[in-house]
Amino acid sequence: EVQLVQSGAEVKKPGESLKISCKAFGYRFTTYWIGWVRQMPGKGLEWMGIIYPGDSDTKYSPSFQGQVTFSADKSNNAAYMQWSSLKASDTAMYYCARLRDGLQPFDSWGQGTLVTVSS
Amino acid sequence: DIQMTQSPSTLSASVGDRVTITCRASQSLSSWLAWYQQKPGKAPKLLISKTSILDSGVPSRFSGTGSGTEFTLTISSLQPDDFATYYCQQYKSYSPTFGQGTKVEIK
Repeated sequence: EVQLVQSGAEVKKPGESLKISCKAFGYRFTTYWIGWVRQMPGKGLEWMGIIYPGDSDTKYSPSFQGQVTFSADKSNNAAYMQWSSLKASDTAMYYCARLRDGLQPFDSWGQGTLVTVSS
Repeated sequence: DIQMTQSPSTLSASVGDRVTITCRASQSLSSWLAWYQQKPGKAPKLLISKTSILDSGVPSRFSGTGSGTEFTLTISSLQPDDFATYYCQQYKSYSPTFGQGTKVEIK
């Protein structure tokens, strides 16, 4: 069974750094893209970008380019998203999800990681 | 970016009703459109890809049609489990974009 398990909720202060994870189970991690989706409180879904764990090729949405960094660890079957300096406006639920190809829908989703940034 | 516009934003319906949600794109998508269902506090779930292909395990009361710039998701007979928010997503070009969502509420 395909499963994506995300790290737990985080509470951070503005300016702090953060790295959240998405661990994959039940399929060959290096042959599917992993994407990240933001959902701000009470709002819709935003496609942030994707990473191919096989070679760490990444594609960022222009809206998120330079704001976050994706990475992947093949030995751990895990993908990561990190911020170097959080802002209050980064407060949101973040989902990781799997795609077969770069331009495909997300066919399996993680449970989400809630990130709260507040002073 | 390709803009996606869903209508209506909210829909009130009863169990057994036929429900239709529309998604319009700012440019032609061919058939590269997906639909997702999201329940409160849960991750989205893929229902339909490439306009009309039901994902594994999705009940046959869900169907998708359309091409070009106009697409519809139809639930033929609304069930209690179907009260949720539905999103369309284009994946014709980077970066893929979602519609703003349609909340299906109990009437």
